[in-house]
Amino acid sequence: NAGVTQTPKFQVLKTGQSMTLQCAQDMNHNSMYWYRQDPGMGLRLIYYSASEGTTDKGEVPNGYNVSRLNKREFSLRLESAAPSQTSVYFCASRSSGRAHEQFFGPGTRLTVL
Amino acid sequence: RKEVEQDPGPFNVPEGATVAFNCTYSNSASQSFFWYRQDCRKEPKLLMSVYSSGNEDGRFTAQLNRASQYISLLIRDSKLSDSATYLCVVTHNYGQNFVFGPGTRLSVLP
Repeated sequence: NAGVTQTPKFQVLKTGQSMTLQCAQDMNHNSMYWYRQDPGMGLRLIYYSASEGTTDKGEVPNGYNVSRLNKREFSLRLESAAPSQTSVYFCASRSSGRAHEQFFGPGTRLTVL
Repeated sequence: RKEVEQDPGPFNVPEGATVAFNCTYSNSASQSFFWYRQDCRKEPKLLMSVYSSGNEDGRFTAQLNRASQYISLLIRDSKLSDSATYLCVVTHNYGQNFVFGPGTRLSVLP
């Protein structure tokens, strides 16, 4: 099992460009998440999807959109990148149930110039 | 005020030392609690869940005090490989919302 995979690993964008970060999991988990991690800020939730077909905003959703394509895949789109979106982006998944932990992908390091 | 707060660190300790991390949370409705470990430039990984009765996993002991809204992690006999950032995590909304603390960095020195 690959667990949670993310592509790309690194990306450099110019201000105003768009891109989609891809995430897939092979653990048959219902819930999937997108976080960003900035120095001194910890992990902040951007969007999450409790199940296929549903998405909800997290703490910092502005400037992002998501698509839960199917149970395996959850993508994050930046329509018009801004330097403030320079960050490390992590995707995570978990199975249902209160006590289950999240499993993370390896992250995407995004720089917006 | 952040929902989950941790000791700012960094903690620099010699091999073999015992080190304790503290974490406080503000949402009294928080339901589940975890400690995650994050190595430099890597993804967070679960270290251990935290149960109300306290729990131990080898050299690691986690404690939860719901009345004080306080979580702790004790590491005994520190190893060089324990060097990492330790993230305190609380959940609510039946586990859907995970809230991460900012993390405490540990460096174990030879």
